[in-house]
Amino acid sequence: SYELTQPPSVSVSPGQTASITCSGDKLGNKYASWYQQKPGQSPFLVIYQDTKRPSGIPERFSGSNSGNTATLTISGTQAMDEADYYCQAWDSNTVVFGGGTKLTVL
Amino acid sequence: QVQLQESGPGLVKPSETLSLTCTVSGGSIRSYYWSWIRQPPGKGLEWIGYIYYSGSTNYNPSLKSRVTISVDTSKNQFSLKLSSVTAADTAVFYCARGSTSGYNYGSNYYYYGMDVWGQGTTVTVSS
Repeated sequence: SYELTQPPSVSVSPGQTASITCSGDKLGNKYASWYQQKPGQSPFLVIYQDTKRPSGIPERFSGSNSGNTATLTISGTQAMDEADYYCQAWDSNTVVFGGGTKLTVL
Repeated sequence: QVQLQESGPGLVKPSETLSLTCTVSGGSIRSYYWSWIRQPPGKGLEWIGYIYYSGSTNYNPSLKSRVTISVDTSKNQFSLKLSSVTAADTAVFYCARGSTSGYNYGSNYYYYGMDVWGQGTTVTVSS
């Protein structure tokens, strides 16, 4: 079965840029989505179709996808961005999630 | 705006069938794909399957033998049944809507992400 691999944790200082990667075989040939999940809350879509932001998502969130890696980038990271982030893609008519990355803003 | 609300028993005995319902409010269930996703305590997300409003379904191969998802358009609801549950099925269960846009990949249609989620409901499997 297809797997998406994310680093378990990423740390960033406030105001700096955070990058969270998601790796999978030929992931660049698929479309990636990203979700933010804060403790005790439901996941929330922040990026879809590799690079697009749903209405209401701040411009500091951006995405890219090439080769075997999709990347979620948060520019000017704020304390409110501290959360778990999950990548997601389709493979063989199945939704696949990455294992999640805990972003710490310190 | 569209809101989703999961409902069902919070406690299920081992070997029994877990049954949950997701009620769609503020919009129609028609013309969308509707998914169930679960999250075991302290772990990541696992997609269970989806149903299109017309009734066509697609399930995670790892759960396919135990899962049934159905839809009731007259009630704006869709439901999940997971049979023969064990303690490993203890999780928060979410329902979610597939986004309006997507793409064709071979004979399949893939929506771009899930843009509306319910608040989740915790189901514990225990005797």
